Amino acid sequence: DTEVTQTPKHLVMGMTNKKSLKCEQHMGHRAMYWYKQKAKKPPELMFVYSYEKLSINESVPSRFSPECPNSSLLNLHLHALQPEDSALYLCASSQEGTSGIEQYFGPGTRLTVT
Amino acid sequence: GQSLEQPSEVTAVEGAIVQINCTYQTSGFYGLSWYQQHDGGAPTFLSYNALDGLEETGRFSSFLSRSDSYGYLLLQELQMKDSASYFCAVGYGQNFVFGPGTRLSVLP
Repeated sequence: DTEVTQTPKHLVMGMTNKKSLKCEQHMGHRAMYWYKQKAKKPPELMFVYSYEKLSINESVPSRFSPECPNSSLLNLHLHALQPEDSALYLCASSQEGTSGIEQYFGPGTRLTVT
Repeated sequence: GQSLEQPSEVTAVEGAIVQINCTYQTSGFYGLSWYQQHDGGAPTFLSYNALDGLEETGRFSSFLSRSDSYGYLLLQELQMKDSASYFCAVGYGQNFVFGPGTRLSVLP
């Protein structure tokens, strides 16, 4: 199984809502990532969990909160988002470490903030 | 910070060979990776160079020269399905940075 799954596929939320994005992999990978991708731009790394330890990208606003319940699951909790946060949110995993060699990406959640 | 540069667009015809260049201003990175992303899809891993030289995987080859801060992705026997965006990327420390991407259009 070389698949990374993400739910939901699409999400529309208001600026006062709280929602969560979910990601799962069963490849035994020990590093998992959250990326944000705007149209016609490259993915931008938001957070990395390596061996269930978080590395924070200091430029990510606190309205985004990651959680790694176990080595197979990754959540991204969203609260009080802004319209400019509308984007494709991608989850990825790699076998180990954060060198990012051969990351496997999920299909993404397309988020619209109204 | 890390900075990578790629051409924004490349156009070629089916059956041709195309080279997508990536120049970077960075140091201390583990290696240079290449990813493909079709419109509406997720990035997929293509190739990785940890050391200088050429890596070949089927129709795709990738090259790295650390002394020249330069790498490229070579696509041979182009097919229509190769029309996509291609990103070079580097990993260093706890970070992973993608280049701006090159949009490849393959014409019949």
